Amino acid sequence: IAGITQAPTSQILAAGRRMTLRCTQDMRHNAMYWYRQDLGLGLRLIHYSNTAGTTGKGEVPDGYSVSRANTDDFPLTLASAVPSQTSVYFCASSDSGGRTGELFFGEGSRLTVL
Amino acid sequence: QKEVEQDPGPLSVPEGAIVSLNCTYSNSAFQYFMWYRQYSRKGPELLMYTYSSGNKEDGRFTAQVDKSSKYISLFIRDSQPSDSATYLCAMSGGTGGFKTIFGAGTRLFVKA
Repeated sequence: IAGITQAPTSQILAAGRRMTLRCTQDMRHNAMYWYRQDLGLGLRLIHYSNTAGTTGKGEVPDGYSVSRANTDDFPLTLASAVPSQTSVYFCASSDSGGRTGELFFGEGSRLTVL
Repeated sequence: QKEVEQDPGPLSVPEGAIVSLNCTYSNSAFQYFMWYRQYSRKGPELLMYTYSSGNKEDGRFTAQVDKSSKYISLFIRDSQPSDSATYLCAMSGGTGGFKTIFGAGTRLFVKA
């Protein structure tokens, strides 16, 4: 089934550790995004990429980094995890550069930082 | 003030009721208006999509956009227990550029 695959689905992590959340899409979409979802705050954009080789900062980029070496993969790295990064992380993609807002989401990665 | 405001609920209704979900926004440049549905422990999925003002109907679902009031609505007719989910409004376009802004989501429970 075509779509977005995220890994891991769930992870408990000690503060200060490095963590990479993986995201792969097979729809050949140009644009990809990382959101975090927290109760009462909804989905907030962390980083985005309009095309392979380019990335941009979203609303809450601090403490996170991304890379976009090819069309299909868009990993999100937490260099030194902190408890405030406990959240559910969603990767998404779009074939319109996000202009129309039609995003396709993965199933999420639930991260707990202790 | 948030760019998009949405009452988080929860909203509990009996099966068969008409449900009204709403969002307000502050950026008058938004052009694309969406509703996403998110089941528990799943990713959001696009439910309804509207460009600019007006109504759009798809089965039991109707989306309305009133740009003059900066107000969007989603109506669900003959609600079913399977409609129980979180509904997120979203918007993009105009000076918002390529970024989609989401509301906080409204949790809906439809009781059988």
